[in-house]
Amino acid sequence: EIVMTQSPATLSVSPGERATLSCRASQSVSSNLAWYQQKPGQAPRLLIYDTSTRVTGLPARFSGSGSGTEFTLSISSPQSEDSAFYYCQQYNIRPLTFGGGTKVEIK
Amino acid sequence: EVQLVESGGGLIKPGGSLRLSCAASGFTFSNAWMTWVRQAPGTGPEWVGLIKSETSGGAIDYAAPVKGRFTISRDDSKNTLYLQMNSLKTEDTAVYYCVHGSGWLDAWGKGTTVTVSS
Repeated sequence: EIVMTQSPATLSVSPGERATLSCRASQSVSSNLAWYQQKPGQAPRLLIYDTSTRVTGLPARFSGSGSGTEFTLSISSPQSEDSAFYYCQQYNIRPLTFGGGTKVEIK
Repeated sequence: EVQLVESGGGLIKPGGSLRLSCAASGFTFSNAWMTWVRQAPGTGPEWVGLIKSETSGGAIDYAAPVKGRFTISRDDSKNTLYLQMNSLKTEDTAVYYCVHGSGWLDAWGKGTTVTVSS
C-alpha cells in the first residue's frame, strides 16, 4: 500500500502568516490527492481534490499543489477558524490511504 | 443537501458482531459508490472498504485488516448502506464513518462509535 507522510506534525502560525503543509507519498499517486480538514468532534471535510481543485465555497486562501510524490497545502492568510487537523489522502490505488495529519494552530 | 446518518455503534466484547447502518438522502443513492472509513482515537482516518453502485457492477473491496471479517452491503430500495462486522478485535475500536465517494470523499456522516473491549 502507498504510505502517506505529512509534515510537520504541528504547525503554529500567526494570523496572516502563510501556512505550508507537506504531504509525501511512498510512490507516485499522479495528481490523485485530496486534502481534508477535521475539527474536534467533527468528521473530516473535503477541501481539495485532484491536488489543486477547491470544493465549492472554499475560501481562496486555501490552495493545493504538487504531483507525483510531493504535495503541498497552503493557507495564505490563516484565520482563527482554520485551526484544525489537516489530512492528505491518495486515491490513485486502493487501498485508499491517509497521512497522519498536521495540526494547525493559529496563535 | 447530502445527508448521511450512521447508527448501530456501541460497546461490544472481542469476538462479537455488530451491524452498522447508514441512511442516505439528498442524492441518488443507487448511482453512488459508497465508502466506509474509520478513525481510531488520536489517529488519522483509515479506509475500511467500498461498494460500487449496482449499475457499475456492485463490486466490493476491503482493506486488508478487515477482509474476511467485515461485509459491506447496500439496499438501494431503502437508500441504506451497511457494514456487518464479525470477529471484532480491540483494534477495531474507532469512529466509523459512512462516506459518499470512492476516490476523493466528498460527504461524510457524523460517524458512529464502536468500542471493542472486554
